[in-house]
Amino acid sequence: SAVISQKPSRDICQRGTSLTIQCQVDSQVTMMFWYRQQPGQSLTLIATANQGSEATYESGFVIDKFPISRPNLTFSTLTVSNLSPEDSSIYLCSVRQGTYEQYFGPGTRLTVT
Amino acid sequence: GQQLNQSPQSMFIQEGEDVSMNCTSSSIFNTWLWYKQDPGEGPVLLIALYKAGELTSNGRLTAQFGITRKDSFLNISASIPSDVGIYFCAAQGYGGSQGNLIFGKGTKLSVKP
Repeated sequence: SAVISQKPSRDICQRGTSLTIQCQVDSQVTMMFWYRQQPGQSLTLIATANQGSEATYESGFVIDKFPISRPNLTFSTLTVSNLSPEDSSIYLCSVRQGTYEQYFGPGTRLTVT
Repeated sequence: GQQLNQSPQSMFIQEGEDVSMNCTSSSIFNTWLWYKQDPGEGPVLLIALYKAGELTSNGRLTAQFGITRKDSFLNISASIPSDVGIYFCAAQGYGGSQGNLIFGKGTKLSVKP
């Protein structure tokens, strides 16, 4: 399975600022995803990061708030903009290998004060 | 929208006991996946199921893809302390946005006091 790393592993940010999270994969993958996991909750898909084109966002998530870059097949970034306390969550990068198997990075724990 | 109903929400285990959890839905899926998440980590893929009726084992873990394609269960035999964590079921439909994984709310395994 792919080895996925995320930076930073955690951060504490002030309201109104932005945080950019990096995701690096050790092999080329076609499909990369970003998820949010609110405290004590399940995983919610934010968007699919498409290489060379705009990300595909799920209902309730917009590009202005969660801009995503995917410059190549091994790297993606997610920015969480104009932070509010409600954005305090774990943000997870995920990749699909094979037809259906999907793997997750270790997550970035964001606390907004 | 599609939803996965995972139960039980939480359970306590005593070392050596067998554990069972399941996921049901009103929708049909073509893939079921089971993940385990330890505190401070991303979810780790345990078992992937691709065919209705399929029964797959991974060590002490056994999972089945329901015949109706609407459910799946996970069994853990002879539990050990390191089985503690949160187990998530996930399912994937057919193509487009339905090809994205959706997750159950998780089953939290704790050690009996």
